[in-house]
This record gives sequence, structure tokens and C-alpha cells, in this order.
Amino acid sequence: SQTIHQWPATLVQPVGSPLSLECTVEGTSNPNLYWYRQAAGRGLQLLFYSVGIGQISSEVPQNLSASRPQDRQFILSSKKLLLSDSGFYLCAWISGSYNEQFFGPGTRLTVL
Amino acid sequence: GQSLEQPSEVTAVEGAIVQINCTYQTSGFYGLSWYQQHDGGAPTFLSYNALDGLEETGRFSSFLSRSDSYGYLLLQELQMKDSASYFCAVINTGGFKTIFGAGTRLFVKA
Repeated sequence: SQTIHQWPATLVQPVGSPLSLECTVEGTSNPNLYWYRQAAGRGLQLLFYSVGIGQISSEVPQNLSASRPQDRQFILSSKKLLLSDSGFYLCAWISGSYNEQFFGPGTRLTVL
Repeated sequence: GQSLEQPSEVTAVEGAIVQINCTYQTSGFYGLSWYQQHDGGAPTFLSYNALDGLEETGRFSSFLSRSDSYGYLLLQELQMKDSASYFCAVINTGGFKTIFGAGTRLFVKA
């Protein structure tokens, strides 16, 4: 069965500090991978998606970036965090039939 | 662009039936999905409609009308554990992107 891992679960960072969030998927190959951000009480904002190694599509131009160094690894990064980067970050992969997204447990980021 | 509209909050009593509507505007529509999210947790998949009509999965059903760009989620025999946020989501042509609505907060009262 497929499993998706995210870490850390919670993170508190000062403004201007760097960020690296990692997501890994087990039990599937060549998945489409996604990063979402959810502000408190709001919907999910698609940040990046990737259909293969080294292939990244950005949905929201901002101070975040993503990389996919391996087939089942997806990394979200920032060189300098802003207060507005606070939120719940979710990694997801989509099944081959394109009708179901599986989400990781998420990382709750607070930027102070 | 793409947008989805759904009510921000719905309140219902235990045992009742509730319908959560979703209207969407998108280019290259592929399908409409519904997700449930409890406080502090990740969204979980509930249902998917690619064609017009009703899909039933236990107490939950989902409906789609492509000509009206409209869908709904129907929850029957409501239970307290159904209190959560419900999101409709549009999958674009090619299936690479899923755009989520802002979510509907469902409160189930005893």
C-alpha cells in the first residue's frame, strides 16, 4: 500500500530564516506530487506540482521553491521566510486514475 | 481563471440530511472531487464525479451537472463525527492540477 511521509510535524521559525520541508512517498512509482498551503480556517492553495524528477510547475510565484531530486521525494524550500508563510503545508500524490489525492500528515509552520 | 464557490458554514442536527453545494468556473474541466478534513488533520478523499449524475458511497453521495457547472455533496444520517470541513475540488484536463474551494464548515448538533 502507498504511504506518504512529511516532516517535521510542527516547526517554529523566525522571519528571515531558511526553510526545508521534505515529503517522501512509498509504494508507488513516478507519482504526480503536490505541495499545498492552508491558512487557518481557509482552503488549500496549490503551490507546486511535479510530474517527474526535476520537473516543477509553480502555481504561486513567491519566496518559496520546490525540488524533486528523486522519484518519490519532493522538497519545499525558502531562503528567507516571511510572516505570511505561516500555515499548514501539505504534500500529496495523485492516483493514476486522477480522481483521488492522498495527503501526508502535514507540517504546521509558524513564522515569528 | 478557475474558481469554486461553496457555503462557508452549514449547521444540521444529528440524524438529518445535509447538502453542500459547489459551483465552479474552470477551463478544461476533468472532474469534481470532495474531501473531508477534521480539525488539525489532513484532507481525506470522499468521492469523485467525472460524468453527470449521482455517485453513492455509503452515507455520502455526490452529484454533478457539467452543463450547470454545479455539484453537491449529500450527507445522510448525520453523526457527530461528521462535523468537519468539506472541500469541493476541480481537476483540470490532463489530471495534473486540482483546485480546491474554500471549504464548508459543517457543524452537527445533538
